[in-house]
Amino acid sequence: DADVTQTPRNRITKTGKRIMLECSQTKGHDRMYWYRQDPGLGLRLIYYSFDVKDINKGEISDGYSVSRQAQAKFSLSLESAIPNQTALYFCATSERIQGLYTDTQYFGPGTRLTVL
Amino acid sequence: DQQVKQNSPSLSVQEGRISILNCDYTNSMFDYFLWYKKYPAEGPTFLISISSIKDKNEDGRFTVFLNKSAKHLSLHIVPSQPGDSAVYFCAAIFVVGNTPLVFGKGTRLSVIA
Repeated sequence: DADVTQTPRNRITKTGKRIMLECSQTKGHDRMYWYRQDPGLGLRLIYYSFDVKDINKGEISDGYSVSRQAQAKFSLSLESAIPNQTALYFCATSERIQGLYTDTQYFGPGTRLTVL
Repeated sequence: DQQVKQNSPSLSVQEGRISILNCDYTNSMFDYFLWYKKYPAEGPTFLISISSIKDKNEDGRFTVFLNKSAKHLSLHIVPSQPGDSAVYFCAAIFVVGNTPLVFGKGTRLSVIA
């Protein structure tokens, strides 16, 4: 079984709809992240969470919100989807080891979201 | 302002030859660097990393070189294989700063048989 799973894997929706993308991990990591990938723009950080009570905005948080329901679950919501939010979305996890913090991130398989 | 730059969007190399992917950074506080590899329809996967206390790290066919004075790192793949065709992302972090990785925009490597 995959360590980091994302649901759904593909989603087509219409402008103005509310969408939730879910991420679950079995790695036991405390840190979780949401990225989007657009052609030519690489991976851009949307939100990140270093533990259940910690939520931080990333580079491009406008139009998005997140919920860290448990250590293993981190959801991304688009309250009112718009076409320029069409992209690949990736969830990632990492672990802070006491005395050593390398932040090697482990990514899920991605969700392809299309907003019409 | 982009702190991690991969100035070559794409690179084509013949099978068996060396692939060299480059990455520049602007933040001198970065002290740990990683390379990720991404195939289409998959998430990025960790490939190799290097701490700022080293100037070279090797793992099989993959070697990462770090030049701190030039704020430059490179990934060498020798010999290149068709299965290496993917997008490669460079990433950097300031470990003590407790902030997330900063990624470059990626370089698409095509290894031609």
